Amino acid sequence: EAQVTQNPRYLITVTGKKLTVTCSQNMNHEYMSWYRQDPGLGLRQIYYSMNVEVTDKGDVPEGYKVSRKEKRNFPLILESPSPNQTSLYFCASSFNRGRNTEAFFGQGTRLTVV
Amino acid sequence: AQSVTQLGSHVSVSEGALVLLRCNYSSSVPPYLFWYVQYPNQGLQLLLKYTSAATLVKGINGFEAEFKKSETSFHLTKPSAHMSDAAEYFCAVSGGGNKLVFGAGTILRVKS
Repeated sequence: EAQVTQNPRYLITVTGKKLTVTCSQNMNHEYMSWYRQDPGLGLRQIYYSMNVEVTDKGDVPEGYKVSRKEKRNFPLILESPSPNQTSLYFCASSFNRGRNTEAFFGQGTRLTVV
Repeated sequence: AQSVTQLGSHVSVSEGALVLLRCNYSSSVPPYLFWYVQYPNQGLQLLLKYTSAATLVKGINGFEAEFKKSETSFHLTKPSAHMSDAAEYFCAVSGGGNKLVFGAGTILRVKS
């Protein structure tokens, strides 16, 4: 089954404790991205990757890191989480075919930073 | 730059009534537009997309949307609401490359 898999689905952590949210897709997509969803703001792009070893900042990259060492995986790293990073996070992937391409989303990771 | 405005953060309809969710966009280039649905505790699922082939786009679960360039709108409709349609709906416009720019979302409630 074609899918985007995120882990964990739920995470509660303390301020400053490094964490990683994993994302993996099995569709051989070139393009992957991370979004955060906040009430009243919709989804905002954090980082994206157009292919292996090619990553770039989205609209809200502060406090996050990513890496793309393999085509299928695109982990999101919070080196020193803060309470304002409490949010619902989604990983998405798509073929790198331009603006009319559909994105496939993972199930989401609900992160709480206390 | 691209942006999306969804009018109404919450919409409530009775079962069997017309569903109308409003979306207006701004785009400096010919837009590609999407509607996604998010059911509770799930990811986003594509309902339909406009890619300039036809102004009336039909999607899954009986939803459709009409692209109106003169009004910069892409409203989502369904003739008869079902309880299972209760969810949050997002309109999005394609930004540069594969990036999606989302609206704030509209939560649809269906009353029995």
